Amino acid sequence: GAVVSQHPSRVICKSGTSVKIECRSLDFQATTMFWYRQFPKQSLMLMATSNEGSKATYEQGVEKDKFLINHASLTLSTLTVTSAHPEDSSFYICSASLLGGRASEQFFGPGTRLTVL
Amino acid sequence: AQTVTQSQPEMSVQEAETVTLSCTYDTSESDYYLFWYKQPPSRQMILVIRQEAYKQQNATENRFSVNFQKAAKSFSLKISDSQLGDAAMYFCASTSSGAGSYQLTFGKGTKLSVIP
Repeated sequence: GAVVSQHPSRVICKSGTSVKIECRSLDFQATTMFWYRQFPKQSLMLMATSNEGSKATYEQGVEKDKFLINHASLTLSTLTVTSAHPEDSSFYICSASLLGGRASEQFFGPGTRLTVL
Repeated sequence: AQTVTQSQPEMSVQEAETVTLSCTYDTSESDYYLFWYKQPPSRQMILVIRQEAYKQQNATENRFSVNFQKAAKSFSLKISDSQLGDAAMYFCASTSSGAGSYQLTFGKGTKLSVIP
């Protein structure tokens, strides 16, 4: 149980285009979903926290107009990278907290590798 | 704000031997949790072990155990009988209840190599 999927697993796009990444909790309802960014050989950096039906809370330094987060249901959150540029190339990981479960426990998706040409 | 420090960028261990990964943290909160996550080359984050700060007893999960020293804010991971599949990045993490949710703060990670 407690499986989180991400789609796509890899995406290559041209500079200036927008890319949408989906994060789904497959077998549970998630109170909260988190989006992280991970550069090569570095740790995970929290980008934003989102609760279903509410606006996401972004971490300091993360441009909310560039990284649009929508959390439309208890099983789906999307991250849209708008007008992507090469510096946005990174590994994006989502996680979800289980509704009714231990609030501190997060289940991670497999990640999405974004390459902007 | 919470900080998590892993002072060992890389470690290596002989197969079947024991290795300890270090982690220290800083927090002003009284209610928090500590975790060790494993990230293999696939980059899927896998929870290794979890410790509730209010519990004095050290958590154990099969070959994995922690040494939780609350006063020293230390949370080390011991891997016994190391196996080749244990080779991965290991991240220490703590939670904070920011924005009404438990956000994770990660250390920079320790790359563990297992020597056959």
